[in-house]
Formats: sequence, structure tokens, C-alpha cells
Amino acid sequence: DTAVSQTPKYLVTQMGNDKSIKCEQNLGHDTMYWYKQDSKKFLKIMFSYNNKELIINETVPNRFSPKSPDKAHLNLHINSLELGDSAVYFCASSRTAYEQYFGPGTRLTVT
Amino acid sequence: GEDVEQSLFLSVREGDSSVINCTYTDSSSTYLYWYKQEPGAGLQLLTYIFSNMDMKQDQRLTVLLNKKDKHLSLRIADTQTGDSAIYFCAESIPNAGNMLTFGGGTRLMVKP
Repeated sequence: DTAVSQTPKYLVTQMGNDKSIKCEQNLGHDTMYWYKQDSKKFLKIMFSYNNKELIINETVPNRFSPKSPDKAHLNLHINSLELGDSAVYFCASSRTAYEQYFGPGTRLTVT
Repeated sequence: GEDVEQSLFLSVREGDSSVINCTYTDSSSTYLYWYKQEPGAGLQLLTYIFSNMDMKQDQRLTVLLNKKDKHLSLRIADTQTGDSAIYFCAESIPNAGNMLTFGGGTRLMVKP
């Protein structure tokens, strides 16, 4: 029944590793997003993606890449993880311009 | 959220009204939002307002928008302890894939 789900909920890994976070939405939405929330609770958009267009926040390092196998999924791949990547990552989806539904978040800890 | 600003903290007593304020800078924003985040949880959309509106009321929630001053507020009437959370305002930019720019969040503490 969960509208936007993410896996895993927690991810602990070492610097230099490559990891992925998965996101799935069962709402039939066309657009999906990834946001990063740092330890001070600041939320920043990373990507916006629909089947036509990927919009990247220019501050996002190219070690981060979204991959969408189909309309219901938008996975986040992170290469060569760094300590500063530790954060909570939220996936969201929307059909219209004005309602984004968020997933429960994935807490990534890089040691 | 350097383009959207909020005060960090608000403390009120149960039953009082809470007013959370937000300022934004992008005049092309089409929608402005309030999200609630409880500890350890994701973001829950509370309400939103279209930029050509001044006010929107939804049960205990009242949103006021002053477009001239680029000021948005959220009033929670009869605040309850269950309202304790972090409240984020956000704006969406129409030519940026409707991505949201968030404020830094206001932590609301409701004392019994």
C-alpha cells in the first residue's frame, strides 16, 4: 500500500565504495525526484526526472547518477562514496506540478 | 535553503495558535508548500497555495501569502502535542522541472 517506498532504510558503508538506493512509486506518477537532507536538516533537490527529461542540480557531484529502469522506479547510484555523502536521501514523485509525495528516506552513513 | 528562509525554532503551549513564517526570493514561484517532518520520518505534505492566492484555510491550518513581500506563513490553530515536528516551507520553480527549494525548517515544540 505504500505510495513511495525506498530500500534500504539504513545503509552503512565505507569510503570509496559504490552503492545504490532504490525507489519505487505505485501512484502512476510521471516525475520522480531525489533530495538530500543533511545533518542540519537542510533539504536540497538533487535530480528531477521524467521519461523525457533529467534535470540535475548543478551542485550535485557527478559521482551521483539517477537510473530509471521504468516509470515506477528511480534508483540513485553513488560512486566512490565520501564522508560528506552521509545524509538522509529522500525519493519523491508527482503527477501534477503541485503535489510531491515523499518516501520514508534512506539514512546513508559513510565511515 | 539559501533562497527560502525560516526561523529555526518555535515553542508554544498546547491549545495556543502557532505561526511559522517563511520568506522566499524567487518571484516566479508558482506554488508554495508546507511540509511536516516528524522525528525519523519522511516529509508529509500539509498544504500548498497557488501564487495568485492570498489565503488558504484547511481545518486547523491557515496559509497566508504576501506576494509583494515574498512572505508565507502557516498558522496552526489549537496546537496539539502531536503537532510537534519540523515544518518546512518550499517553493517550486516552473522552469526547473518543478523541483522544490526548501527552507531550513522550523522546529515546533508544543508544551502540554
